Order: sequence, then structure tokens, then C-alpha cells
Amino acid sequence: GENVEQHPSTLSVQEGDSAVIKCTYSDSASNYFPWYKQELGKRPQLIIDIRSNVGEKKDQRIAVTLNKTAKHFSLHITETQPEDSAVYFCAASRPISFQKLVFGTGTRLLVSP
Amino acid sequence: NAGVTQTPKFQVLKTGQSMTLQCAQDMNHEYMSWYRQDPGMGLRLIHYSVGAGITDQGEVPNGYNVSRSTTEDFPLRLLSAAPSQTSVYFCASRLTQGEKLFFGSGTQLSVL
Repeated sequence: GENVEQHPSTLSVQEGDSAVIKCTYSDSASNYFPWYKQELGKRPQLIIDIRSNVGEKKDQRIAVTLNKTAKHFSLHITETQPEDSAVYFCAASRPISFQKLVFGTGTRLLVSP
Repeated sequence: NAGVTQTPKFQVLKTGQSMTLQCAQDMNHEYMSWYRQDPGMGLRLIHYSVGAGITDQGEVPNGYNVSRSTTEDFPLRLLSAAPSQTSVYFCASRLTQGEKLFFGSGTQLSVL
């Protein structure tokens, strides 16, 4: 089955810096790669996603890049703000109606003012 | 819409006890699933359902049972709780053709 590895497990940055979180996946048939953000004590929420027919996708200060050949994808957050502090999860799934979404182990991002 | 509603929010069990975690959604989502979240292990899929009467196993199904008699409800049953089942449990749903998962607020379960 699919295996998703996520690095780093923790990331501390200063406000205004950029943050990058990287994930690798094992199943070459996976074609959907979402990122979820979980604030302390809250539920995970989708922040951005990408399909394998696209190499990059942006939404304001966040972007996701995908390298299908190397089987890795990354989340980029620019101009970080304290409210970006949270745990971020990457995930991957095959095309079959995305039934089995496999998550990475999470990255705790701390943005210091 | 209330979205995805989970009850209870907190529960303490003794080893060997049974209980049911409730999950309901009012968005007419066909797909529903249960995840458990443990420190350093992310979110792991326990069971999922693509519609009433249809369920299937995820990554970590042992020790858990599910059923889906209606579109709205997807309860998770622990028949004989074990300390290894101490975790935070999330229910999530989405449209069959949709991609975005909508999560409930979670149930924090402790098994002593």
C-alpha cells in the first residue's frame, strides 16, 4: 500500500520567513496530494491540493509543488505569520474515488513574532 | 448545516469495556471514514464507507467495527477496549466525486 513520509517533524521560523515542508510517497499510481492544517485542539482542514497532471499550484501565500518522477511534493508558505503556527499534514491517494487517503506523520510549524 | 458531528468529545474506558463513537453528517455525503490520530504517527485510516450498506477496512482496522445503515450516520464500535486504542478519533466525510474531506471535532479516548 501507499506510504507517505513527511519532513521535518518540527519547523521553527521567524515571522516573515518562508517555510517548506516536504513529503515523499511510494505508490506511483497515486495522483492526488492534499495538504491539511490542524490548529491546536482543532480539526484538520484542507488548505491546498494538487493532482498529478499539474506541477505547481498557488493560493496566495501557500503553494504546492509536485515531482512525479521523484515521487515527492512540497508545501511552501511565504511571508509566514504567527497564525500559520499549526500542524501540517500531507497526504496521497490513488484515483479510485480517493477512497484511501494516506497521511504523512505531520509537521509542527512554529512562527515566532 | 451542522457539518460533521461527533459524540462524545471525551471518554475514559477501562480495558475490556465496549463503546460506540457516534458520527453524523448533514451534508448528504456518500463517503464517510474514521481516522485515529496518535503523536508522531499522523492520521491513520481505520474504516471507511462509500455509501449505506457498504464498508471497507483502512490501514488499522483491528479492534474496531463499523456499519452504515443510513447515509447520515457512521458509528465506530470498540468491542473490547485496549490501552493501545487510546487516541484521538476523527470522523470525516466528503462527496463521492469530491476531494475535500470534512472532519468532525474529534473524540479523545483514554483506555486505562
